[in-house]
Amino acid sequence: NAGVMQNPRHLVRRRGQEARLRCSPMKGHSHVYWYRQLPEEGLKFMVYLQKENIIDESGMPKERFSAEFPKEGPSILRIQQVVRGDSAAYFCASSLDPDPSYGYTFGSGTRLTVV
Amino acid sequence: QKEVEQDPGPLSVPEGAIVSLNCTYSNSAFQYFMWYRQYSRKGPELLMYTYSSGNKEDGRFTAQVDKSSKYISLFIRDSQPSDSATYLCAMSAGNDYKLSFGAGTTVTVRA
Repeated sequence: NAGVMQNPRHLVRRRGQEARLRCSPMKGHSHVYWYRQLPEEGLKFMVYLQKENIIDESGMPKERFSAEFPKEGPSILRIQQVVRGDSAAYFCASSLDPDPSYGYTFGSGTRLTVV
Repeated sequence: QKEVEQDPGPLSVPEGAIVSLNCTYSNSAFQYFMWYRQYSRKGPELLMYTYSSGNKEDGRFTAQVDKSSKYISLFIRDSQPSDSATYLCAMSAGNDYKLSFGAGTTVTVRA
């Protein structure tokens, strides 16, 4: 069981470019969550997706950020026209059920640096 | 005021000592309380999970929740160098999938 796989581990983008972060959930998990971790701050919820559906994107900035979880393939977090403030670690988690008592499994994250 | 407050430390203790970590929160709707451990450059991994108030023990780890004071604790007994990590508290309301995290406390256990 490979766990939650995120790639790339590190991503460097120049201001104005697009960043695309990928997350493959654990086998059998159909619920995916994206969190962002800024230095000295806790993880902040961004979006919750099920296969082909965005359930809750209340934590996502209204502009430039989008997420998808297609029927086939990994979940993608896309950041268009990146700015320095987007530099952070982005973590994906997956679960069997959205009830937190089932436990969420986190990936190792993608560290985005905008230069 | 942050929804979840956690002292970032850092905390340095000798091997074998008891490590005491805590978080306070403001949202009285929180019912699920978790502690995650995060090694450097890794993702958080779930250590302990508690529902509502009370104590829970798992090996060297004890989690305590005091909802009346909006205060949760994690104790690590007989600490080992391998316990050196950042410990994050997290909580959610009801069966809400959205977790609210503390900033994390960095712990170093000296051999």
